[in-house]
Amino acid sequence: SQELEQSPQSLIVQEGKNLTINCTSSKTLYGLYWYKQKYGEGLIFLMMLQKGGEEKSHEKITAKLDEKKQQSSLHITASQPSHAGIYLCGADKGGSSNTGKLIFGQGTTLQVKP
Amino acid sequence: GAVVSQHPSWVICKSGTSVKIECRSLDFQATTMFWYRQFPKQSLMLMATSNEGSKATYEQGVEKDKFLINHASLTLSTLTVTSAHPEDSSFYICSAPKGAGLLFYEQYFGPGTRLTVT
Repeated sequence: SQELEQSPQSLIVQEGKNLTINCTSSKTLYGLYWYKQKYGEGLIFLMMLQKGGEEKSHEKITAKLDEKKQQSSLHITASQPSHAGIYLCGADKGGSSNTGKLIFGQGTTLQVKP
Repeated sequence: GAVVSQHPSWVICKSGTSVKIECRSLDFQATTMFWYRQFPKQSLMLMATSNEGSKATYEQGVEKDKFLINHASLTLSTLTVTSAHPEDSSFYICSAPKGAGLLFYEQYFGPGTRLTVT
């Protein structure tokens, strides 16, 4: 079965600094989702990547899917306290079948110090 | 983005009682919804797929008689935790994907329901 591993597990950065979170899959990724979660709350959809080499940006967050489609990175530029939370990568369990059922990495907890 | 709501946001119940959690897609129809659970400081684990007009399908290891799912309409799925026990205490989150046919390109999650069984 497919597994997603995120690194680092936790991250503390000073406000204004850049940071990167990685998500590595044990199998080829046919759709990779990035979500943000505040503890005890639901997931906020950030981005979805499908094609090898694809890159998407929203405000100060950029996500990329590598050419081999087994690794994705999430990069935050000039971090702010509002970026704090848990970042989760998710992928479809069905691989190329697009079942809608997601598996998730274990999450990366981000703290941003003012 | 699309909005998915859950009710209640938190619930405390006594061991042995049943609890119903609702998941609604507010601005789109969802023939399929998914239920996840999340234990403290852990990631989300898929429990089951809720299908409008047919039976739910459960992931391996999830007791279908304990977690009853009913997809009553194109915008509502309910999860009933029957004969709840303290080990069922968890954060339950639903998702409703938007898409055409079998192409689930956007997955939207509800705010979650925290269940505490005493």
